[in-house]
Amino acid sequence: AQSVTQLGSHVSVSEGALVLLRCNYSSSVPPYLFWYVQYPNQGLQLLLKYTTGATLVKGINGFEAEFKKSETSFHLTKPSAHMSDAAEYFCAVTESGGSNYKLTFGKGTLLTVNP
Amino acid sequence: DGGITQSPKYLFRKEGQNVTLSCEQNLNHDAMYWYRQDPGQGLRLIYYSQIVNDFQKGDIAEGYSVSREKKESFPLTVTSAQKNPTAFYLCASTTSGGFNEQFFGPGTRLTVL
Repeated sequence: AQSVTQLGSHVSVSEGALVLLRCNYSSSVPPYLFWYVQYPNQGLQLLLKYTTGATLVKGINGFEAEFKKSETSFHLTKPSAHMSDAAEYFCAVTESGGSNYKLTFGKGTLLTVNP
Repeated sequence: DGGITQSPKYLFRKEGQNVTLSCEQNLNHDAMYWYRQDPGQGLRLIYYSQIVNDFQKGDIAEGYSVSREKKESFPLTVTSAQKNPTAFYLCASTTSGGFNEQFFGPGTRLTVL
């Protein structure tokens, strides 16, 4: 069975500061990993994904994440926060080669950006 | 433009009434999903369908029903048996043979009065 833990349900940063959102996963097979962003009362939008290959993946809006197998982590970072980054962020995992295409989501981290 | 549409955006119903939420996609995706979102609980899978005329229960299927008569459509009915139906409902889809990333609709906020 696969699972995702997002450390910190709420993260607050100042505008221009580093953003670090933590995600740890559990999977019995090599995982595919995803970060999604959700703005209030909207659907989820894919930020980035790791499937195979390079472990540092870059996404939209200046975000990136690094897959660390030894730490079972996939933390999301952005060097300089912008007010428009304020949203809820979800980490998700699925099993590579799986046949049911199901994603398991973390409970989310709400990012607040202070001026 | 390809995408997923959910209607309506906001829905109000009286307790004891069944209500159907619409989800349509024109992405030619095989698999479709329904999630329920409550504050602080992330997304919980209600039902999913990998092909037409077939669907499986997710983690919280009790009190819900679905159908998949067309590839493009996956409506969700919230029945009176659902004890706490007020929530934000999200529909998603993905293509088979890919990396399983799911594409989401804008959601429907259901309030039961």
